[in-house]
Amino acid sequence: SQQGEEDPQALSIQEGENATMNCSYKTSINNLQWYRQNSGRGLVHLILIRSNEREKHSGRLRVTLDTSKKSSSLLITASRAADTASYFCATDDNQGGKLIFGQGTELSVKP
Amino acid sequence: NAGVTQTPKFQVLKTGQSMTLQCAQDMNHNSMYWYRQDPGMGLRLIYYSASEGTTDKGEVPNGYNVSRLNKREFSLRLESAAPSQTSVYFCASTDPVGNIQYFGAGTRLSVL
Repeated sequence: SQQGEEDPQALSIQEGENATMNCSYKTSINNLQWYRQNSGRGLVHLILIRSNEREKHSGRLRVTLDTSKKSSSLLITASRAADTASYFCATDDNQGGKLIFGQGTELSVKP
Repeated sequence: NAGVTQTPKFQVLKTGQSMTLQCAQDMNHNSMYWYRQDPGMGLRLIYYSASEGTTDKGEVPNGYNVSRLNKREFSLRLESAAPSQTSVYFCASTDPVGNIQYFGAGTRLSVL
């Protein structure tokens, strides 16, 4: 069963706009991660936020975590055409380090 | 540093044929994973290996077997391929400190 559910499933924006993707999960977590997948490629880790953290930044990425609502959001500021990809949230299952991935948000950034 | 290497990149099988997907990592990671990715389904865990010599079932293990040959290599075998196994398969390994997973480029498998 998949723990993370992402919203929206697809998002299309213009270059320069901000993109926000949301992830909800069901059980308690140690941490939540976001990954990116370019078409035809494997997933690449973007950022990890621990359960005791509320917000984290990395370059143009901002991740928030609300453990009371069991939700997280990924904000990409000043998007570029090169940000076009699918984005997945992943939560650990508190059992041996396995990750459970959401279904992903497909982001399209138009130049 | 190659990271996680998967072979082959593409494969077409007929129903009932067998094949082994190979995966190797050069990062000295203990844990390795096999996932399948289908449209609209995200990644689903097939099998994983927490350390050399151990393997465990994931969410969708039926129709697959695995071998953790040594610390570097983790193979996935389809004994009798079925059309339902048409998918993209990803191997990953985990950095034990941060629990970050590193992925291979994938194997695109079609079963006719």
